[in-house]
Amino acid sequence: KAGVTQTPRYLIKTRGQQVTLSCSPISGHRSVSWYQQTPGQGLQFLFEYFSETQRNKGNFPGRFSGRQFSNSRSEMNVSTLELGDSALYLCASSLGGVSNQPQHFGDGTRLSIL
Amino acid sequence: QQQVKQSPQSLIVQKGGISIINCAYENTAFDYFPWYQQFPGKGPALLIAIRPDVSEKKEGRFTISFNKSAKQFSLHIMDSQPGDSATYFCAATFGQNFVFGPGTRLSVLP
Repeated sequence: KAGVTQTPRYLIKTRGQQVTLSCSPISGHRSVSWYQQTPGQGLQFLFEYFSETQRNKGNFPGRFSGRQFSNSRSEMNVSTLELGDSALYLCASSLGGVSNQPQHFGDGTRLSIL
Repeated sequence: QQQVKQSPQSLIVQKGGISIINCAYENTAFDYFPWYQQFPGKGPALLIAIRPDVSEKKEGRFTISFNKSAKQFSLHIMDSQPGDSATYFCAATFGQNFVFGPGTRLSVLP
């Protein structure tokens, strides 16, 4: 069974630009969550999508948004990039959600802002 | 109340020794406590998880001990191996909330 796939693996952008990251969950998983990982803040929850609906959102500004398609694939968009957005962005999928069941993570997209 | 505290920040253990990582939480609504292992350049991988109605769970060399009254849980890695060198994260969830601890960097010396 294929794991969670995130593309691209690496991305370099400049301040003010926008970026879209993609996540393909494990087949059959309907929940996709996004996390930001930085050395200073650790792993922080961004948002979770289930059946194309955002169910929960972390404490991030509105520049961070996402969506989920009918095949459960998800995209995350960050607009007006800032230097502080440099991070590893991780996507995780699960059968029903983040609570009370295992999440399976992809290897992330490393975003660098110049 | 949404925080999960984790200690130590880093840990060095000799091969064959026991590695112990501790976590503590405040919110009694948390109902699922997974541990993740992350190697450099990789995403976190689920190691083992426990629910609050169980005090201990063992899978191979990995054991979670859970103390509901103290709101603490810990990961024990028996017979630690150099291949266990990684960063370990505890986590806690309830509803649609998922909170990670800050991580422990484990180094197992050969």
